[in-house]
Amino acid sequence: AQRVTQPEKLLSVFKGAPVELKCNYSYSGSPELFWYVQYSRQRLQLLLRHISRESIKGFTADLNKGETSFHLKKPFAQEEDSAMYYCALRASQGGSEKLVFGKGTKLTVNP
Amino acid sequence: KAGVTQTPRYLIKTRGQQVTLSCSPISGHRSVSWYQQTPGQGLQFLFEYFSETQRNKGNFPGRFSGRQFSNSRSEMNVSTLELGDSALYLCASSLSGADYGYTFGSGTRLTVV
Repeated sequence: AQRVTQPEKLLSVFKGAPVELKCNYSYSGSPELFWYVQYSRQRLQLLLRHISRESIKGFTADLNKGETSFHLKKPFAQEEDSAMYYCALRASQGGSEKLVFGKGTKLTVNP
Repeated sequence: KAGVTQTPRYLIKTRGQQVTLSCSPISGHRSVSWYQQTPGQGLQFLFEYFSETQRNKGNFPGRFSGRQFSNSRSEMNVSTLELGDSALYLCASSLSGADYGYTFGSGTRLTVV
């Protein structure tokens, strides 16, 4: 089964504090994971993908196949990081593909 | 370059009616996917089209259908609308699939009354 779990619906931190948004997945194939972000009144946009091993806006995420996790981390949260964050898994089957999304975590960074 | 464009932005329909939503992908993108977003269920995959062919379909009833034209523009249709169909419908495009991630449109907010 293809499943993405984000255990926290809401996460609240203070500005300057570290933040970690959890994501666990279940997939029988070779996983490709993404993080998407949706700021207030803006469209859903790609934040980062694990194959790029990049850091975007100070966020990083490491794929841990042993723990089937892809947690998103930032050492010092900023108020502008407040948004909905979705973890997504690329699921391929017979030449077709789809993204399976978690239910999302709403991050609030307080001043 | 222009992003993914969805029209209309908002729709109000009555139960039993049908509705057609439109999506214009980024130029050169051949894969178009549709998602339904609701507060309770989150983002759920509807279907994916590539070169005018439906490659994949999510777990939705047959009332939900779609198509893709030769210019990659896509439409989705929902017939016999139900109250539970009220949602934000998102279209996403990519070059060929999900490997580089999708670019999403702003969505069409459908309200069924």
